[in-house]
Amino acid sequence: KQEVTQIPAALSVPEGENLVLNCSFTDSAIYNLQWFRQDPGKGLTSLLLIQSSQREQTSGRLNASLDKSSGRSTLYIAASQPGDSATYLCAVPTSGTYKYIFGTGTRLKVLA
Amino acid sequence: NAGVMQNPRHLVRRRGQEARLRCSPMKGHSHVYWYRQLPEEGLKFMVYLQKENIIDESGMPKERFSAEFPKEGPSILRIQQVVRGDSAAYFCASSPESLGEQYFGPGTRLTVT
Repeated sequence: KQEVTQIPAALSVPEGENLVLNCSFTDSAIYNLQWFRQDPGKGLTSLLLIQSSQREQTSGRLNASLDKSSGRSTLYIAASQPGDSATYLCAVPTSGTYKYIFGTGTRLKVLA
Repeated sequence: NAGVMQNPRHLVRRRGQEARLRCSPMKGHSHVYWYRQLPEEGLKFMVYLQKENIIDESGMPKERFSAEFPKEGPSILRIQQVVRGDSAAYFCASSPESLGEQYFGPGTRLTVT
């Protein structure tokens, strides 16, 4: 059974800091992994999708890495800004199914 | 290219009534996922559909809940005889391919009184 854990649950940093969010999953036979952000009361915005054959993906100030063998992904945010404040979620499909399992998220607050 | 549309955005139903939630995927997307987010909880997978087919409904409660994605028109999540525990945000996501990148709608917030 796939389980997804995100650490830390909450994070508060001053503007300009580089930071790392962690996502761990128990079943390494994943097809891909997707990172999202969710603003309060809103839907999810896709940030990055990493296929199982990839080691990392980059988009602007965001870089996501994937280490399947250790069941881990990290989302690196460079030069954080107050607009980055949101909850960040990772999701992976359960092996052999289309059922995506979401982590409980990291609530990020970037202080001006 | 319009994003994923969901309506209504807010829905209030009394216990025992039916709730119908609609999801129009992005243009060109024929894969739809439905998720439920209970207050202070994470997103839970409910069902995955392709046009005219339910592919994986392993996250759907066995009773009162059903979903469809007809050849024409939006995907519908239907909840019959709603109870207070059904109060939640329901999100749909669409994708251009199975296990592809998912794009989420703004959600429907259901309140059962």
